[in-house]
Formats: sequence, C-alpha cells, structure tokens
Amino acid sequence: DAGVTQSPTHLIKTRGQQVTLRCSPKSGHDTVSWYQQALGQGPQFIFQYYEEEERQRGNFPDRFSGHQFPNYSSELNVNALLLGDSALYLCASSTSGQGFEKLFFGSGTQLSVL
Amino acid sequence: GENVEQHPSTLSVQEGDSAVIKCTYSDSASNYFPWYKQELGKGPQLIIDIRSNVGEKKDQRIAVTLNKTAKHFSLHITETQPEDSAVYFCAASMSNYQLIWGAGTKLIIKP
Repeated sequence: DAGVTQSPTHLIKTRGQQVTLRCSPKSGHDTVSWYQQALGQGPQFIFQYYEEEERQRGNFPDRFSGHQFPNYSSELNVNALLLGDSALYLCASSTSGQGFEKLFFGSGTQLSVL
Repeated sequence: GENVEQHPSTLSVQEGDSAVIKCTYSDSASNYFPWYKQELGKGPQLIIDIRSNVGEKKDQRIAVTLNKTAKHFSLHITETQPEDSAVYFCAASMSNYQLIWGAGTKLIIKP
C-alpha cells in the first residue's frame, strides 16, 4: 500500500503565477482533504472533496480551487500566487464515512513563492 | 472564532521519562479529538484519538485523557524513546465536523 502520494515534493513559483498540486489517496479511500501548513503552525483546512464535488471549504479565497477525479485522485490549484501562499500543502485521505476522522496524510508539497 | 490552544510549544524530557501535552478547546459541540505526530519532512500521522463519550484511551505507551467540563484534553507518553522526538498536534472537531488544530508541541527527547 503506497499510502497517500503527492507531487511534486517541492515547487518554486513567482508571484502572480498559477500552480497545480496533485494527490493520490490511500487505497480504499474516496475522500480527499487539502491543508495549508505554514512554518511552525498547525495545518489549516482548505477544502474537502468527495464524489468529485467540494463537500466543505475552509476560510480560503476563491484563488484556491480543486478537483477530484473518478479515480478519487485530486488536484489543488492556486491562482495569482502571493508571497503569503508559501507553505507546505498537505493532502489527506479518508473514507466517506469518516470525513475528517482518521486522516492519512501525504508528505506534502513545499511551495515557495518568490 | 473557535480555536484550540496547545501547551507547551516546546517540551524537553529525559529519555525514559514521561511527557504530557495539553490542549484546550472552545467549541462545546466538539466531540472528536485526535492527536497527530509529525516528523521532519513528513505529513502528520494519527497516533491516537478519542470521542467525547470516553474519558480516557490508551495504546501501549500513549494515552489521551478528556475533561469535557473543563474543555481540555491531554496526551501522555510514558517511557519516552528517541523516536518519540517530533512535533505533536492536537485537534478538535467543530460543529461542521471540520477539525481545528493546535499550533503544535515540539517534543525533544534527551539521551
């Protein structure tokens, strides 16, 4: 079992650019959540996808959008990057019955915005 | 807004001693309280969780206690080992089932 896989592991972008991050959930999981983790802080919830739809959303602007594919994998898109978007972006998977419980996290994508 | 406060931010203990990390939550509707361990370069890993209808839960050297009246819960690690060194996060569910996370505790195990 490969667990949750995220790509790329590191990314450097320039302010104003757009970025796409990818996530494959753990085998048997159908729900994907995305989190932003700034240095020295706890993860902040961005949104959760289930059945290819955004089920819940945290307090993030519309510049953050996502998608879930029929195979349950997911993408996180961020438009018009700001310096403050620099962070570790974590993907977590779970089963539909558990929602936010027993989350399995990937190792994250470290995004640096210059 | 709702929040979770976690203390201490850094905890240094001698190998073999016990470590205790405490969290306080504000949402009275919270009913699920997980603890995650994050090692350098990795994502958080669930180590133990508890529901509001249970006061204590143990798993080998790890235990979590919950005081609903005081709205606080704690992580206890006994017989600490070098591999316990990591950042530990508490979290609490909100009324919309989302998790709100503490700021983390860096646990250092001294040899």
